[in-house]
Amino acid sequence: QTVVTQEPSLTVSPGGTVTLTCASSTGAVTSGYSPNWFQQKPGQAPRALIYDTNNKHSWTPARFSGSLLGGKAALTLSGVRPEDEAEYYCLLYYGGARYVFGSGTKVTVL
Amino acid sequence: QVQLVQSGADVKKPGASVRVSCKASGYSFTAYYIHWVRQAPGQGLEWMGRINPNSGDMKYAQKFQGRVTMTRDTSINTVYMQLSRLNSDDTAAYYCARDRGSLAASIFDYWGQGTLVTVSS
Repeated sequence: QTVVTQEPSLTVSPGGTVTLTCASSTGAVTSGYSPNWFQQKPGQAPRALIYDTNNKHSWTPARFSGSLLGGKAALTLSGVRPEDEAEYYCLLYYGGARYVFGSGTKVTVL
Repeated sequence: QVQLVQSGADVKKPGASVRVSCKASGYSFTAYYIHWVRQAPGQGLEWMGRINPNSGDMKYAQKFQGRVTMTRDTSINTVYMQLSRLNSDDTAAYYCARDRGSLAASIFDYWGQGTLVTVSS
């Protein structure tokens, strides 16, 4: 069974920078896995932030960016704001219509 | 504007089936995949499967094979997800989400508001 692992929790100060990662149990994550990133706040549906590794949706704030880092997909938040406090999930596409979500990272702004 | 509007919350007894609907508007319904994702209370997101609204082709996560059925009605731009033989572990919020990607890539963008399904005797 494929497992996609994220940091359980991260804490960042307002105005700071934090990087979340997304690792696959099958090996290095490449652009071929078409990583997507989502933000979810309590009681709300997920909101799409990044697709295909590093592409932003029209509504994605400029302070969010996606990349590949050390064999993992990564989401970097720069100039963090209090409203960025949320759970963040990655999604990897393994082909053959098989998708796996990451375990999620709780980001606390403190 | 693109919208995915889901049916309301539901309560079912163990062993029953539930059907959740997802009505799309604001775009060409048959152009993009629709996925179903669920989230148990306090847990993470879990991919259940996807349907191609154009062809009706469905792909399901192995975990749900034999228990889930995804269908669509192109006359009313609606996708349905039916889950059978419910048990307490199926208590969750169920979401539909649009994917404007392709066979080679996924581009999830719009999500439904979620439907809470509670399984309780």
